[in-house]
Amino acid sequence: QKEVEQDPGPLSVPEGAIVSLNCTYSNSAFQYFMWYRQYSRKGPELLMYTYSSGNKEDGRFTAQVDKSSKYISLFIRDSQPSDSATYLCAMRALNFGKGTSLLVT
Amino acid sequence: DTGVSQNPRHKITKRGQNVTFRCDPISEHNRLYWYRQTLGQGPEFLTYFQNEAQLEKSRLLSDRFSAERPKGSFSTLEIQRTEQGDSAMYLCASSPTSIEQYFGPGTRLTVT
Repeated sequence: QKEVEQDPGPLSVPEGAIVSLNCTYSNSAFQYFMWYRQYSRKGPELLMYTYSSGNKEDGRFTAQVDKSSKYISLFIRDSQPSDSATYLCAMRALNFGKGTSLLVT
Repeated sequence: DTGVSQNPRHKITKRGQNVTFRCDPISEHNRLYWYRQTLGQGPEFLTYFQNEAQLEKSRLLSDRFSAERPKGSFSTLEIQRTEQGDSAMYLCASSPTSIEQYFGPGTRLTVT
């Protein structure tokens, strides 16, 4: 079992929809949880990170961590075509998910 | 602060040739990471430097791969005797902590 699992999608939503992106992980020692956005043929860009459990909000983006379930989520409100990208979760430098491809039309 | 830069952006080489990539991190960041990414996959960790010390290497980093960070500033990643399986995007990232990474644009390697 990989330490970080992420559904690759693709996920297609209409403009204005609320998007939910998720990852599961197996190592209960992970404390920091990061979300990156990667446009095609570009390097990943850090969106936000959270420590331990709970929620963190930054504009239209909300990151949520449930350590009891080893499950993290990224919610995007009022999605825009410019949000179309691959979203990567990471638990630390060594552990990235495969990324979920999002298309907002 | 101009972010992390990587050169070259694209490299096409013939199988068996050696290639070297350069990464210039954000100046105040003492941590530097190298990753490899193939289509449909997340970044795979290759190696990590704190200042000039190489602290961790992945099992993915075979004997044909070597990385250096002289003087704790820029870093180079060399691949010797390239193989077609080395074709990938090579990403560099720097960080002021051990938590988040700030990535460069990557170097796309094609081995023919």
